[in-house]
Amino acid sequence: NAGVTQTPKFQVLKTGQSMTLQCAQDMNHEYMSWYRQDPGMGLRLIHYSVGAGITDQGEVPNGYNVSRSTTEDFPLRLLSAAPSQTSVYFCASRTFSAGELFFGEGSRLTVL
Amino acid sequence: KQEVTQIPAALSVPEGENLVLNCSFTDSAIYNLQWFRQDPGKGLTSLLLIQSSQREQTSGRLNASLDKSSGRSTLYIAASQPGDSATYLCAVQGGGADGLTFGKGTHLIIQP
Repeated sequence: NAGVTQTPKFQVLKTGQSMTLQCAQDMNHEYMSWYRQDPGMGLRLIHYSVGAGITDQGEVPNGYNVSRSTTEDFPLRLLSAAPSQTSVYFCASRTFSAGELFFGEGSRLTVL
Repeated sequence: KQEVTQIPAALSVPEGENLVLNCSFTDSAIYNLQWFRQDPGKGLTSLLLIQSSQREQTSGRLNASLDKSSGRSTLYIAASQPGDSATYLCAVQGGGADGLTFGKGTHLIIQP
């Protein structure tokens, strides 16, 4: 049982480049979410999804897009990377009812 | 807007001590509260989940309590060990379908 899997673990981009962070879970969880973690700011919610075909914005959605075509996958897209998006990104999932949240290992992104 | 505060921000104690980490939140209308552990460069690992109707949860040497009316939770670690060294994060789940609100964590060092 792999849990929540994120790829890549590390990525360096130049300003203006685009990329997709991948997230997959094998626990059949309805709810999936993306957070970013920055020093002194804690974890902040970017986007979340309560099921396939349904997404919504969190606290800091600007500059990021998401989609949820399957229950298992929830990719996060950066359309035009900016230095302010340098951060560690975490994907997390849980059952829809208020339950334990499971996190991936994180993706460390640097934008130059 | 929900705000979560963790005190202290950092703590260093000798091995074997019992210790208490504190978490407070401003809006008592929560579904649950979750304590996580984060090791350097790693993702978050769930330690304990307390539903809003519960007063405490225990797992091994860890005990977490919840006083929803006063907006407080404590994580009690008994007989601390060097392997307990990590950052401990508290997070609350509100009434909506969005994500958890996190505190900024307590960085714990257990001296051998």
